[in-house]
Amino acid sequence: DTAVSQTPKYLVTQMGNDKSIKCEQNLGHDTMYWYKQDSKKFLKIMFSYNNKELIINETVPNRFSPKSPDKAHLNLHINSLELGDSAVYFCASSQSDRGETQYFGPGTRLLVL
Amino acid sequence: QKEVEQDPGPLSVPEGAIVSLNCTYSNSAFQYFMWYRQYSRKGPELLMYTYSSGNKEDGRFTAQVDKSSKYISLFIRDSQPSDSATYLCAMSTGAGSYQLTFGKGTKLSVIP
Repeated sequence: DTAVSQTPKYLVTQMGNDKSIKCEQNLGHDTMYWYKQDSKKFLKIMFSYNNKELIINETVPNRFSPKSPDKAHLNLHINSLELGDSAVYFCASSQSDRGETQYFGPGTRLLVL
Repeated sequence: QKEVEQDPGPLSVPEGAIVSLNCTYSNSAFQYFMWYRQYSRKGPELLMYTYSSGNKEDGRFTAQVDKSSKYISLFIRDSQPSDSATYLCAMSTGAGSYQLTFGKGTKLSVIP
C-alpha cells in the first residue's frame, strides 16, 4: 500500500502553461507539505498545511498555489510556468505532534521547455 | 553561512567499509536531528531520528549528535552496495515544529 502518492510522476510542459500536481496520503496524518528539490538536490520546503490550514508559506512566487481539500490531500497548482520551475516536487506528510518525522512521496519530475 | 552544511561528496567506498557522514549547523535552537536516505529517482525515506545530544543505534546505522559542537554524524558499518544512495541530514527546532531544514545531501556509492 502506497503511503504518500503523487500524480503525475512526470510532467513535461511548455513555458507559460498552467499545471497541477496532486498528492494523497493514507497514513492518517494531519499535516502535509510540498517541497522542491532542485538540480543540485537541495530540498526546500514550500508550503505546509495542518488540518487543511496553511501554516508554512515560504518565499515562493505567488504563481504557486497549494490547496488542501481535506486532511488526506494536498494539491499544488502552478500558473504561468517558467523554465526555473523545472525541478522535482515532493509531497510529504506527518502527524502534527511529530513534525520532525515526515514521510515523502515518490516525487513529480517537472520539466518546463 | 547556511543553516545546515553537508559535504555533497560524492563518497565512494568498498563494500564492508565503515562510512561516516556528517553535517554541521549554525542554529542552536535545533533539537531534533534526522537522517534521510534517498535512492536515485525516489523520495527521501526517514532512516534515523535523534532528539538532542547523544547516540542512537539501529542495526548497522549509528547516529551521533554533539550539540556543543553543532555537529551530527551518521555511521554505517559493514556497508553494502544497497546502501548506495544520497543521505540527507535534516533538523528541526522542536516537537510539533513543522519545518525541517535539510542539508544538501551526500551521495554515497558502495562498490562491491
